[in-house]
Amino acid sequence: GESVGLHLPTLSVQEGDNSIINCAYSNSASDYFIWYKQESGKGPQFIIDIRSNMDKRQGQRVTVLLNKTVKHLSLQIAATQPGDSAVYFCAGGLPGSSYKLIFGSGTRLLVRP
Amino acid sequence: GAVVSQHPSWVICKSGTSVKIECRSLDFQATTMFWYRQFPKQSLMLMATSNEGSKATYEQGVEKDKFLINHASLTLSTLTVTSAHPEDSSFYICSARPGDISLNQPQHFGDGTRLSIL
Repeated sequence: GESVGLHLPTLSVQEGDNSIINCAYSNSASDYFIWYKQESGKGPQFIIDIRSNMDKRQGQRVTVLLNKTVKHLSLQIAATQPGDSAVYFCAGGLPGSSYKLIFGSGTRLLVRP
Repeated sequence: GAVVSQHPSWVICKSGTSVKIECRSLDFQATTMFWYRQFPKQSLMLMATSNEGSKATYEQGVEKDKFLINHASLTLSTLTVTSAHPEDSSFYICSARPGDISLNQPQHFGDGTRLSIL
């Protein structure tokens, strides 16, 4: 069925360390994936996206890896900072008339000072 | 760029009242906007896809008569929660996507509306 899920509900990391947030998806039809960051009381903020014809994409301090064989993607945050503390969602895009997104359950990232 | 504004950010009203939430794309045109609902510590659940100039497409289980959606222009979609009851209390979030709907592009989100029904 359609689902995008996450392995860990909470991730605690030391400030300055790298963070890796994982996500699994089940729908092979998903051809586009996005990572969002959501702070308390706010809407999701776009971080980075990747299309299914790629296996890696880098942004500023973030890298997304896509493994289509095992239907898994991850978000790597380098040198994690206190401001990175938030809930992170992956979302998969489904081809169709509106390209709607299916969101995963989210991972809360806690950065220890 | 790609700023989405949602209003109001917070509303408290009595049971039985209808509440309208606005979603505006400020610096781009959006033929498609989306409405989500989010419960505490949970993920976003897509309620409906709002299409400019045509009827909204609702997800399974979402009552069309309960959640009225209007997308009258390329920059504005509204969600009206009719005859709201306490179980409708939630965080409602809209999003919009610039450009052609056939293209994979990220949705940009408003900051949500926290609705509390007494």
